Amino acid sequence: GAVVSQHPSWVICKSGTSVKIECRSLDFQATTMFWYRQFPKQSLMLMATSNEGSKATYEQGVEKDKFLINHASLTLSTLTVTSAHPEDSSFYICSARPPPSGSPPKAGELFFGEGSRLTVL
Amino acid sequence: DAKTTQPTSMDCAEGRAANLPCNHSTISGNEYVYWYRQIHSQGPQYIIHGLKNNETNEMASLIITEDRKSSTLILPHATLRDTAVYYCIVRFISPDSNYQLIWGAGTKLIIKP
Repeated sequence: GAVVSQHPSWVICKSGTSVKIECRSLDFQATTMFWYRQFPKQSLMLMATSNEGSKATYEQGVEKDKFLINHASLTLSTLTVTSAHPEDSSFYICSARPPPSGSPPKAGELFFGEGSRLTVL
Repeated sequence: DAKTTQPTSMDCAEGRAANLPCNHSTISGNEYVYWYRQIHSQGPQYIIHGLKNNETNEMASLIITEDRKSSTLILPHATLRDTAVYYCIVRFISPDSNYQLIWGAGTKLIIKP
């Protein structure tokens, strides 16, 4: 099946620094990727939709200037947490889907990265 | 998107079939039922999806009632590695949509030896 890879899988940083997380689709081109955040014992919360070659679409309540998303190629999207603070500590997960295939196009599954655990001291 | 209701947690003995129910009474005709699972500290993993027919793959079977108001995910021979949170999601998918999935609380399935 399709593979989506995230890096780093975990990172510890000092308060006030910026952290970049990469999401790569390894065997398909993804015009759209999604970024989620998950706090302990909670479900996934969609943060933003990353569109290749255009600006990301952010969910309500997510600060676009704090969570910078760049989707410069069809296989890579990056999430940068700027000026991180302890409350930004969370599990960040990306997902992507292969282009629809078949006629009529099939509703395909969404593939997720392994997640990146951010701890801000 | 239709809302889903799942039990908070379930136990199942290793080697037995695990049956995870999901209610989606407000599902509309063009919405698919998706199942994902999330093992602790990992990203979610796709399991199966269906529209109205029952589906089976190497991981599980999906049984959808005729009125489509509920479904059951069946793991035929549960192993300890199947311990995870299982999410049932309904979503309309159009070929050109930038779709995302809305995640509920899921069912925490614990497989016991």
